Amino acid sequence: AQRVTQPEKLLSVFKGAPVELKCNYSYSGSPELFWYVQYSRQRLQLLLRHISRESIKGFTADLNKGETSFHLKKPFAQEEDSAMYYCAPQWVPNTGNQFYFGTGTSLTVIP
Amino acid sequence: NAGVTQTPKFRVLKTGQSMTLLCAQDMNHEYMYWYRQDPGMGLRLIHYSVGEGTTAKGEVPDGYNVSRLKKQNFLLGLESAAPSQTSVYFCASRPGPAPEQFFGPGTRLTVL
Repeated sequence: AQRVTQPEKLLSVFKGAPVELKCNYSYSGSPELFWYVQYSRQRLQLLLRHISRESIKGFTADLNKGETSFHLKKPFAQEEDSAMYYCAPQWVPNTGNQFYFGTGTSLTVIP
Repeated sequence: NAGVTQTPKFRVLKTGQSMTLLCAQDMNHEYMYWYRQDPGMGLRLIHYSVGEGTTAKGEVPDGYNVSRLKKQNFLLGLESAAPSQTSVYFCASRPGPAPEQFFGPGTRLTVL
């Protein structure tokens, strides 16, 4: 069965420090990968997807097929980055329209 | 556009009671989803729908039923609520080809 692991439930970094939120998945296929974010009192929203290879709000995520990881990185954390982050792989075509979300990492950026 | 809306926002039930959660979207999206969010468990898919009149089971479907009689609405029913169903429930929708999901604000349900 597919599995998504975000090993850190809580992560605290100081403002201006680099931040890395880890995501590992277990599946032999080729997933399409997404990161979603939930800011305080806001709804869950898409942050970025690996296929677009873009940087959103300074965040980037690289798919490492060898390590089956999709870690989210930002070189200089800002206070407004404090939020809950979810990794969400989609295994196409096996699971088609189903999404599996990781357990989430709560990021706190300390001023 | 209101996007994805959920009714109600909060609800407290007693064990054995039934209720229906309503999700509505005004974006003409084909796909709709129901998730539950629990501490340490992340988001888990309960049921989903790939179009009007269709439903399918997700990862944790037991104890829940769903219906998609109209394209814009996706209902989640609890026939006999149990304390294990205490959770925050999120609805999401997405257009057919694009993978991005659009989420509702959530419904916090407590079962005593």
